[in-house]
Amino acid sequence: EPEVTQTPSHQVTQMGQEVILRCVPISNHLYFYWYRQILGQKVEFLVSFYNNEISEKSEIFDDQFSVERPDGSNFTLKIRSTKLEDSAMYFCASSDWQGNNQPQHFGDGTRLSIL
Amino acid sequence: SQQGEEDPQALSIQEGENATMNCSYKTSINNLQWYRQNSGRGLVHLILIRSNEREKHSGRLRVTLDTSKKSSSLLITASRAADTASYFCATARTGANNLFFGTGTRLTVIP
Repeated sequence: EPEVTQTPSHQVTQMGQEVILRCVPISNHLYFYWYRQILGQKVEFLVSFYNNEISEKSEIFDDQFSVERPDGSNFTLKIRSTKLEDSAMYFCASSDWQGNNQPQHFGDGTRLSIL
Repeated sequence: SQQGEEDPQALSIQEGENATMNCSYKTSINNLQWYRQNSGRGLVHLILIRSNEREKHSGRLRVTLDTSKKSSSLLITASRAADTASYFCATARTGANNLFFGTGTRLTVIP
C-alpha cells in the first residue's frame, strides 16, 4: 500500500537555525498538510496546500514557517529561525483529489529537537 | 475551538473485552474521523463517518455519530493486545479539509 514518507526521522538543530523537513506524499494525492504534536499534547494543524498554494493555515503557521512543493514528488516545511518551542513531532499528510470527506494519510513524522 | 475531546483519557481492558471511546466536538462538521497512533509513530486512519451518517462499521470497529449532541463513539470489539495504542477523533468542518484532533484516549489491552 502506498505511504507518505518523511525525512529525516529525527532532526537536532541549534536555536535560530533554519530547518527543512521533507515529505513525499502519496503519488496521486493532490492535498497536502503539515501538523505538529508537541510531546504529550494534541496533534495541531499547521497548513494545507493544494494546487501549488496554501489553502488554509493556522495561527501557529506564522512568518517563520513556509511550505513548498519544489518538484512533482516532494513537499517541504521550512522553519526560518527555530525557537525552543518549535520542538515537536511534525507530521506530513496527504489526501486524494476529492479532498473533503477523504481520509488523510500520515507519515511517521520527523522529531525536531531544538537546542 | 473545534477540537474534540475524548473520554476516557486512559482505558485498560483485558484481551477479548470491548473498548468504547467517546468524542465530543463544538462546531458544525463535514465528517469525523478516528485515527490510531502507536507510540512514536504516525497516525493511522481507521474510519471516517460523514455528518449525514449515524453509524458505520469496519471489521471490529463500530463508530456512531450524533450531530445533535456533537458526539461520536468508537467501539472496538473483541480487543487484542495489538490494539494497544492512542486513539484520536478528528473533525473536518464544512468546506475545509484540515483536521482538528482531540486529546486522545490511551488504550491498553492486557493479554
